[in-house]
Amino acid sequence: QVQLQESGPGLVKPSQTLSLTCTVSGGSVITGGYSWTWLRQPAGKGLEWIGRVYTTGRTNYNPSLQSRVSISIDTSNNQFSLSLTSVTAADTAVYYCARSIDLNEYLQHWGQGSLVTVSS
Amino acid sequence: IQLTQSPSSLSASVGDRVTITCRASQATGGYLAWYQQKPGKAPKLLIYAASILQSGVPSRFSGSGSGTDFSLTISSLQPEDFATYYCQQVKSYPVTFGQGTKLEIK
Repeated sequence: QVQLQESGPGLVKPSQTLSLTCTVSGGSVITGGYSWTWLRQPAGKGLEWIGRVYTTGRTNYNPSLQSRVSISIDTSNNQFSLSLTSVTAADTAVYYCARSIDLNEYLQHWGQGSLVTVSS
Repeated sequence: IQLTQSPSSLSASVGDRVTITCRASQATGGYLAWYQQKPGKAPKLLIYAASILQSGVPSRFSGSGSGTDFSLTISSLQPEDFATYYCQQVKSYPVTFGQGTKLEIK
């Protein structure tokens, strides 16, 4: 059974960079045919898709965040990561990593979520 | 592609049949999914490709629709079904979600 676990700082200062890692167990990020995705959800609000990376390293990002976001895959550690620069309070949210069931973005496996607060 | 769910909230009783709708701003080619989210938990995939039931999901959940109009139906509500439901389109990037429908106990 594939399991995902987010890790990273829970508090980030404004203008700094938010960095999160998703560690995958029970499966491999090397295995083709899946999408490895980051999403976020501000408290009491809906889901926002941030972007995704394929095993090949190919990425797609939400245009609303594209100038600040980077997602990469680390095959040696079976992880994928999110970097979001120049954060503001509006970036405060629970961040989720997820894996799709196939090359579409139907997200079957999710991490438990990681709350990141942007505050000085 | 913008997704609009209705209603935004819904009160119902155990045993009721409920339907949530999702309207897309343009055709999604059936590339639509439904998720259930309970407080403090990650979303759970229920339905994908508009009508395919994800493995392990009870058969009281069903999805239908095409083009721009889709629906999720729960045939007989169970206590564990009270949650927030989201539709998602994967036809084009960026992937987008509806605003959610909160299903509450009457």
